[in-house]
Amino acid sequence: AQSVTQPDIHITVSEGASLELRCNYSYGATPYLFWYVQSPGQGLQLLLKYFSGDTLVQGIKGFEAEFKRSQSSFNLRKPSVHWSDAAEYFCAVVLTGTASKLTFGTGTRLQVTL
Amino acid sequence: DGGITQSPKYLFRKEGQNVTLSCEQNLNHDAMYWYRQDPGQGLRLIYYSQIVNDFQKGDIAEGYSVSREKKESFPLTVTSAQKNPTAFYLCASSIVVPTYGEKLFFGSGTQLSVL
Repeated sequence: AQSVTQPDIHITVSEGASLELRCNYSYGATPYLFWYVQSPGQGLQLLLKYFSGDTLVQGIKGFEAEFKRSQSSFNLRKPSVHWSDAAEYFCAVVLTGTASKLTFGTGTRLQVTL
Repeated sequence: DGGITQSPKYLFRKEGQNVTLSCEQNLNHDAMYWYRQDPGQGLRLIYYSQIVNDFQKGDIAEGYSVSREKKESFPLTVTSAQKNPTAFYLCASSIVVPTYGEKLFFGSGTQLSVL
């Protein structure tokens, strides 16, 4: 069955430390891959997306993600976390079709300590 | 400023009552979506509409109804048939951008709770 998994429910990092949030997918072919961020009580904002081409994707707010076909992963990274990065992060995938086919992971809540 | 407006921010429902969540967009987007978000779960699609006067069921449509009489508006009614309505509801719209693909824009959500 097609699925997207975010193994980490909650991650805590210190401000200034590096960050990596994991996302794995299980699809028959390479899907389109997205990372969204949600601040408390707010909607989702797109950080970055991967369709094809360069496997290292740059996004907004200093985030990047690397697509690894061999590991079926699309992990989100940031070299130095800021306190304002505390939020919930969702990985999402769609194989084909419109956003109506988008499947979201269960999310990873990031806490940043000062 | 263009965007998606959801109202109210907080809504309370009594047992057996229908409530309607508002979603308005001034982005001129054709497609609109309703998602339900529960703690520890990802977003699940309730209904979507790709054009005025047409809408489709998503993965969890039971107990919900929608209408799309205007391009700008996509209200969601949570009916009394929805036995577990407490959740955070997100409305979104989308546009297809050349060479980029479809891009989703989200409202700031409505928290629905049962009294």
